[in-house]
Amino acid sequence: AQSVTQPDIHITVSEGASLELRCNYSYGATPYLFWYVQSPGQGLQLLLKYFSGDTLVQGIKGFEAEFKRSQSSFNLRKPSVHWSDAAEYFCAAYNYGQNFVFGPGTRLSVLP
Amino acid sequence: DTAVSQTPKYLVTQMGNDKSIKCEQNLGHDTMYWYKQDSKKFLKIMFSYNNKELIINETVPNRFSPKSPDKAHLNLHINSLELGDSAVYFCASSQAPSGSGYGYTFGSGTRLTVV
Repeated sequence: AQSVTQPDIHITVSEGASLELRCNYSYGATPYLFWYVQSPGQGLQLLLKYFSGDTLVQGIKGFEAEFKRSQSSFNLRKPSVHWSDAAEYFCAAYNYGQNFVFGPGTRLSVLP
Repeated sequence: DTAVSQTPKYLVTQMGNDKSIKCEQNLGHDTMYWYKQDSKKFLKIMFSYNNKELIINETVPNRFSPKSPDKAHLNLHINSLELGDSAVYFCASSQAPSGSGYGYTFGSGTRLTVV
């Protein structure tokens, strides 16, 4: 069955430090891949998405993600974290004709 | 000019009551969805509607019924509310069934608390 996993439930980083959130998928074929962010009390906002082509995808708010087929991964990165980045981050995947699947989420805390 | 709006934002009600949550999108999207987010932040799809037709129903109790008067609206009606229904419910929309490659646009959520 298709699945999306995010191995880290909670990550804490200091403001200004770099960030990497992990995401792995299990699909028969490479799915479309997405990262969403949910700020406290808010809905989910699309950060970036990967369909095909360049494996390094740029998104909003200074985020980027790299698709690695050999590792079935789509990790989210940011070179310098801001306090406003504290939120819940969801990786998601979709394959044609199937349901959109979300990972369990990673909560990011940012220390001043 | 909110893209996907849902009301109310908060809803506190007693067990056994019937309640509705409304959702509207002004994006011209073809498909709308309801997701339930539990206390552990896990997102589970409940329903989707494409051109007024229900195309997904993921083992949701029949106390939950989606109602779509037109392509821009998908309301969620819940009968005989139970404590376990307490959660955040998100409405979403997309340009094609299951989001395809476009992803979803989400509303800001309705926090339902059943007491």
